[in-house]
Amino acid sequence: KNQVEQSPQSLIILEGKNCTLQCNYTVSPFSNLRWYKQDTGRGPVSLTIMTFSENTKSNGRYTATLDADTKQSSLHITASQLSDSASYICVVTPNSGNTPLVFGKGTRLSVIA
Amino acid sequence: DVKVTQSSRYLVKRTGEKVFLECVQDMDHENMFWYRQDPGLGLRLIYFSYDVKMKEKGDIPEGYSVSREKKERFSLILESASTNQTSMYLCASSLPGSAMTTQYFGPGTRLTVL
Repeated sequence: KNQVEQSPQSLIILEGKNCTLQCNYTVSPFSNLRWYKQDTGRGPVSLTIMTFSENTKSNGRYTATLDADTKQSSLHITASQLSDSASYICVVTPNSGNTPLVFGKGTRLSVIA
Repeated sequence: DVKVTQSSRYLVKRTGEKVFLECVQDMDHENMFWYRQDPGLGLRLIYFSYDVKMKEKGDIPEGYSVSREKKERFSLILESASTNQTSMYLCASSLPGSAMTTQYFGPGTRLTVL
């Protein structure tokens, strides 16, 4: 069964610190992996997308990595800001036509002053 | 910018009522999706549509139906609302074909069924 597991479930860090969120998946065959950011009360917004051949992708202070062999991805946030407080969702697209996306349950990040 | 709008941000209904959740996108996207999001469960796909008047069941279609009469509008219908349908409902749209296309989400509707 296609699954995406994220850890930790929640995380609290001090403003200015770095953090890393983890995503493990069992989706196969796999087309691409995205990280979405979802602010409280809003819809998710795409941060990064990586195909199976890409190892890393950056978007400002966000850097996503992908190891297609171990089926693991991470999202690293550098110099965190209060506005980074949100849920971060890992989403995998199966490589089989119109098969729906497979969503992780998300990591809830709280950045405090 | 792609804009996906949902008819209500917050909605309170009573058990047994018929509920309509409307979603409109302005980018001429063929694909539209309805999800529900619950704490600890993440996003789960209810229904999706790849064309006008076309619909496909997602992972949890029971208790829901959908309507896509026009390309830009995708409606989710709760025929007889129940308390276990209290949730955040998210609509999304995307271009067809490539798996690289991004799904754009609306702001969500938080539905409470009393």
